Amino acid sequence: KNQVEQSPQSLIILEGKNCTLQCNYTVSPFSNLRWYKQDTGRGPVSLTIMTFSENTKSNGRYTATLDADTKQSSLHITASQLSDSASYICVVISFGGGSYIPTFGRGTSLIVHP
Amino acid sequence: DSGVTQTPKHLITATGQRVTLRCSPRSGDLSVYWYQQSLDQGLQFLIQYYNGEERAKGNILERFSAQQFPDLHSELNLSSLELGDSALYFCASSVAWRESADTQYFGPGTRLTVL
Repeated sequence: KNQVEQSPQSLIILEGKNCTLQCNYTVSPFSNLRWYKQDTGRGPVSLTIMTFSENTKSNGRYTATLDADTKQSSLHITASQLSDSASYICVVISFGGGSYIPTFGRGTSLIVHP
Repeated sequence: DSGVTQTPKHLITATGQRVTLRCSPRSGDLSVYWYQQSLDQGLQFLIQYYNGEERAKGNILERFSAQQFPDLHSELNLSSLELGDSALYFCASSVAWRESADTQYFGPGTRLTVL
């Protein structure tokens, strides 16, 4: 069964600090892995998309890594800001029989305190 | 603003009723995806349409149906509503439908409350 596990479930950090969120998956066949940021009550916003051959992708202060061998990904946030407070969701995409199949993690809730 | 619009923003209805949620994709996007997000289940993929045709099906209940019209807007129909159908329903759009790392743009969602 395809699964995506995220850790930690929640995280509290001080403004200006760095943090790393983890995503472990068992999804086959693998197509790509996506990180989304979701503010409370709003639609998710795409941060990064990584295919099998990519092991690092950056988007401003967000840097995602992918280790396809160990089936792990991380999202590193540098110099956190109050606006980074949100839920971060890891999604692994599979294409089975030509059909799009996403498997979602439950998300990491990040709170940035001043 | 993602460019994806969803109406209505909020919907309150009673058990057993039927509702229709509407989504307009970004200009130029041919794929539309529907997702459900509840507190206990997280985000779940329901169904995908590409250029008017159904392309992928996820955990969509038989009581739910969707379609994409020639102008590419999509509607999600939920019938015989139950309390457990209360959730945020998101629509997303992208350019392509097949194996590709194209970005999905999510709408603001419709919050459905079933009383």
